[in-house]
Amino acid sequence: GENVEQHPSTLSVQEGDSAVIKCTYSDSASNYFPWYKQELGKGPQLIIDIRSNVGEKKDQRIAVTLNKTAKHFSLHITETQPEDSAVYFCAASSPGGSQGNLIFGKGTKLSVKP
Amino acid sequence: DGGITQSPKYLFRKEGQNVTLSCEQNLNHDAMYWYRQDPGQGLRLIYYSQIVNDFQKGDIAEGYSVSREKKESFPLTVTSAQKNPTAFYLCASSGRQGGSEQFFGPGTRLTVL
Repeated sequence: GENVEQHPSTLSVQEGDSAVIKCTYSDSASNYFPWYKQELGKGPQLIIDIRSNVGEKKDQRIAVTLNKTAKHFSLHITETQPEDSAVYFCAASSPGGSQGNLIFGKGTKLSVKP
Repeated sequence: DGGITQSPKYLFRKEGQNVTLSCEQNLNHDAMYWYRQDPGQGLRLIYYSQIVNDFQKGDIAEGYSVSREKKESFPLTVTSAQKNPTAFYLCASSGRQGGSEQFFGPGTRLTVL
């Protein structure tokens, strides 16, 4: 089955710097890659997602890149702000049956220091 | 106001008792999911349901049970057979299984004393 590895587990940056979180997946059939942000004591919220027919997607300060050949995808946050501090999860999903479920990485705790 | 709700937010139970966590959605989603979250771990799938009256075991179903009698509701029962039930439980729903955004509820923190 699918396996998703996420690095780093913790990341600390200064306000205004960029942050990059990387994930690798094992199932070459996976075609949907969402990123979730989880604030303390709350449920995860989708911040951006990408499908396998696209190499990069941007939404204001957030971007995701996908390298299907290498089976890895990354989240890029530019001009970080204190409110970006949270735990970020990547996930991968392959189509159909039980493989259609999302498999999550273990999360990255991002701290943005003012 | 569409969304997914879980209740209660905090739940305390004595060891050996069964407890049921509520999950309701008004998004008209077919698929619903239950995840368990432990510190330093990702989200692990307990059970999922693609359609009413049907559900499947996830990766860590032992000690849990579910029902899906209505499209809007997917309650999770944590039974006394679950050896380490203290955790943060998250419910989610999606329009379809696979390749589709999952919307999460606010979670229920269960503490077994």
